[in-house]
Formats: sequence, C-alpha cells, structure tokens
Amino acid sequence: AQRVTQPEKLLSVFKGAPVELKCNYSYSGSPELFWYVQYSRQRLQLLLRHISRESIKGFTADLNKGETSFHLKKPFAQEEDSAMYYCALLGEAGNMLTFGGGTRLMVKP
Amino acid sequence: DADVTQTPRNRITKTGKRIMLECSQTKGHDRMYWYRQDPGLGLRLIYYSFDVKDINKGEISDGYSVSRQAQAKFSLSLESAIPNQTALYFCATSDTRQGGLYTEAFFGQGTRLTVV
Repeated sequence: AQRVTQPEKLLSVFKGAPVELKCNYSYSGSPELFWYVQYSRQRLQLLLRHISRESIKGFTADLNKGETSFHLKKPFAQEEDSAMYYCALLGEAGNMLTFGGGTRLMVKP
Repeated sequence: DADVTQTPRNRITKTGKRIMLECSQTKGHDRMYWYRQDPGLGLRLIYYSFDVKDINKGEISDGYSVSRQAQAKFSLSLESAIPNQTALYFCATSDTRQGGLYTEAFFGQGTRLTVV
C-alpha cells in the first residue's frame, strides 16, 4: 500500500521567512513524488515533481529515499505563496496518484 | 481554460436521493479520476479509469459508482446519498506515461455536494 503523510495541517509564517512543508511517504518500490498547489478559488495544479529537479516559484523539493521524505522548501516566503499544498505519490505501476492530507500555508505580511 | 469541466458546481440533495456528478475533458487524455476532498483528509481516490470500459476502485469506493461513457466523459453516481458524503468532489485527467515520464494530473474546479 502507498501512503503520504503531511504532518502539519497549517503552517503560518511571516513574509520573508523560510518555509518548509513536510511530506513523508510509505512505498516499497521507487515512487514518483509531486507537489500540487491550490490557490484560493483556483484549481489544484502541479507545482513540481522530483524527477524534474526544478525550482518553481522559488520552491524546491528533494526526494530523500533514506528518510522517505519529499519536503517542500522556499528560502523567503511571499504573501502570494499562501495556498493549500498537497504532496502526492505515484507508484511504479503508474496507476493510483495518492495525496497527503494537505498543508495550508499562510504567509503574513 | 476549461480543459476539465465538472457539472454541477454546487448541489444540495436529500438523504436517500440518487445523484450524478459529471466530468468532461477536452485534453484527449485516456486516464480519468474521481477524488473527494475533506478537511484534514486531503484528496482520497474514489474511482479511476484508464480507458473506456476500464473501471477501477480507489480507496473509498463504497457508496459510489462510475461510468466511463466515452474517452472524454466520466460520471460519478451516489446511488443513495448520505450526509457523510458531503464533500468537495474533484475530477482529474492524465495521460499514459510517455517516454517513462508520467504526465501531470489536470483537475476540474470541483463540485461541492451537500447531503441534508
């Protein structure tokens, strides 16, 4: 079975502060990991995926297979980063995309 | 853009009623999914389909059924709605792996269903 855990339901930081949204997963094979974001009144959309090793809107995420983690980080948070963030896992069979419970990020001015 | 469209956007229904949520897509993707979103529980997969006539249960399929009428359409039915099915429902599509790279999932805007 595959599982994704996001331990924080809410994360509140001030503008300019570093941000780390935690994601841990449980999967026996080699998963693909993603971060999806949902801004207010917008659709859920892909933010980044571990395979691409890219930085999107200043966010990065590194897959740590030893710790089974895929934490999302940004060195300096902006107010427009306020949103709901979901970590997601796709198993090797490429069928089920499993989401974590989500973390609401609030960036205060 | 409206590549993935869900109807209705909001619905209030009574306990015991049958209700259908519809999803259509113009992206030409072969895979379609239904999720429900509950506060603190994230998105949980109800059903998914990889092609017409292909239906697979997700983690919370009890009380739901689906129909893949065409590649572009995937409907979710609640045969006899109950209050704990009150949630935000999302349809999503994705494409088959190409070159080993999974294509991202594209989501509809959601249907807010309230069962009273």
